[in-house]
Amino acid sequence: DVKVTQSSRYLVKRTGEKVFLECVQDMDHENMFWYRQDPGLGLRLIYFSYDVKMKEKGDIPEGYSVSREKKERFSLILESASTNQTSMYLCASSFGTGTGELFFGEGSRLTVL
Amino acid sequence: KNQVEQSPQSLIILEGKNCTLQCNYTVSPFSNLRWYKQDTGRGPVSLTIMTFSENTKSNGRYTATLDADTKQSSLHITASQLSDSASYICVVSLNAGNMLTFGGGTRLMVKP
Repeated sequence: DVKVTQSSRYLVKRTGEKVFLECVQDMDHENMFWYRQDPGLGLRLIYFSYDVKMKEKGDIPEGYSVSREKKERFSLILESASTNQTSMYLCASSFGTGTGELFFGEGSRLTVL
Repeated sequence: KNQVEQSPQSLIILEGKNCTLQCNYTVSPFSNLRWYKQDTGRGPVSLTIMTFSENTKSNGRYTATLDADTKQSSLHITASQLSDSASYICVVSLNAGNMLTFGGGTRLMVKP
C-alpha cells in the first residue's frame, strides 16, 4: 500500500517561530503537494512539486516555503508562524503526469499561539 | 472561474438508510472527477474516479454518477453504516496540467 507519512500529527508553536512540516512517501511518486484545510474553505493548495528540487506555487503560497531535496521527501516551512496559519496541513503525492489519484498523509494539525 | 459546489453541506441520517450527495462543477476542460472520503482527523482517501465517458461507477455500497452535459455528479450511499460518518469531497481535474479543483465537502453523520 502507498504510504504518505507526515512527521507530526499535532504541533503547538508560538507566533514568530519557524516551523518545519515533513512529509515522506514510499511509492516513488513524482508529484507531491501541500494543502491546508480549514472549516468552510475546503482544501487549498499551498505548493506542489513535480520533481526533485522543483517547486511551484499553489493558490495560497504567501508565508510558506518548501523544499524537495529528495524524491520521497517534501517539506513545508513556515519561516515566521502567525496565528492565521493555525490549520490542518495535508501532504499528498501522486504518480505520473496529469491528474492521478492523490494519496494523502494523516495530516498535521498546527496551532500557533 | 473553475468551481466545484457540493450539497448539502451536512447531513444526518439513520443507520441503514440511503443517501445521495451532490457535486456541481463549472471546471472546463474536464478531465475526471473523483470522490474522496475523509474520516475525522485523517487524510482523504479516494472512493471512485469518473472520466468524461462514464455515467456510473460503483465501489461496494458507494455508487457515483456523472452527467457531463449538466456538469453534475452524485454519490449514492446504500444501507448506510456508522463507519460512513465522514466528510465526502468532490475533486474535479482540468484536462490540462495537474490542476485540481476541490469542493467544500459534505459532512455526513450516520446515527444508530
